[in-house]
Amino acid sequence: NAGVTQTPKFQVLKTGQSMTLQCAQDMNHNSMYWYRQDPGMGLRLIYYSASEGTTDKGEVPNGYNVSRLNKREFSLRLESAAPSQTSVYFCASSQMTDPLGGYTFGSGTRLTVV
Amino acid sequence: GNSVTQMEGPVTLSEEAFLTINCTYTATGYPSLFWYVQYPGEGLQLLLKATKADDKGSNKGFEATYRKETTSFHLEKGSVQVSDSAVYFCALRPIQGAQKLVFGQGTRLTINP
Repeated sequence: NAGVTQTPKFQVLKTGQSMTLQCAQDMNHNSMYWYRQDPGMGLRLIYYSASEGTTDKGEVPNGYNVSRLNKREFSLRLESAAPSQTSVYFCASSQMTDPLGGYTFGSGTRLTVV
Repeated sequence: GNSVTQMEGPVTLSEEAFLTINCTYTATGYPSLFWYVQYPGEGLQLLLKATKADDKGSNKGFEATYRKETTSFHLEKGSVQVSDSAVYFCALRPIQGAQKLVFGQGTRLTINP
């Protein structure tokens, strides 16, 4: 019962490098989300996908792109990493047809940009 | 708009103390309410939830009651343990619209032996 799986768990990038964070869920959820969490603890929504084939911007989309590859997978891409993107990134999923339900989170990717 | 306000941390208590973490919300209609817990180095886990007024969510000795009249969902535990040290997030999920979770800022709790 994996839930939401994120890869990699840790990554160090140099400024200007690109990378893709992977997320996959096995709960047949419609909706998926990418958050970042910075020191000070709050979560900020980067992008979300309400259903397969759709993506929308959240609070802090600049510098990121996303792809909803299929119902299971939702990736986050940093095209040209900047030190300001040093953060912990969390993927989450939920069932859109269950508005009373919560989100299931992955264990996070800890990204450092030097 | 929808928003969640939590008491500011950090909160430090001794083992076996009584815990309250305050959470109030602003929302249209009757949202679902949640508490999530984040242990060091981990992702967020659902701790408990309540989906209508006067519901009480409970789990692992924690409780929270959905109070419509005060728009609150305070988290309580009668006797905390060192293992309860974590960051706690209050959140709401609107019934209408995009239904995205709205999180509070989180409260860091440290329990000393």
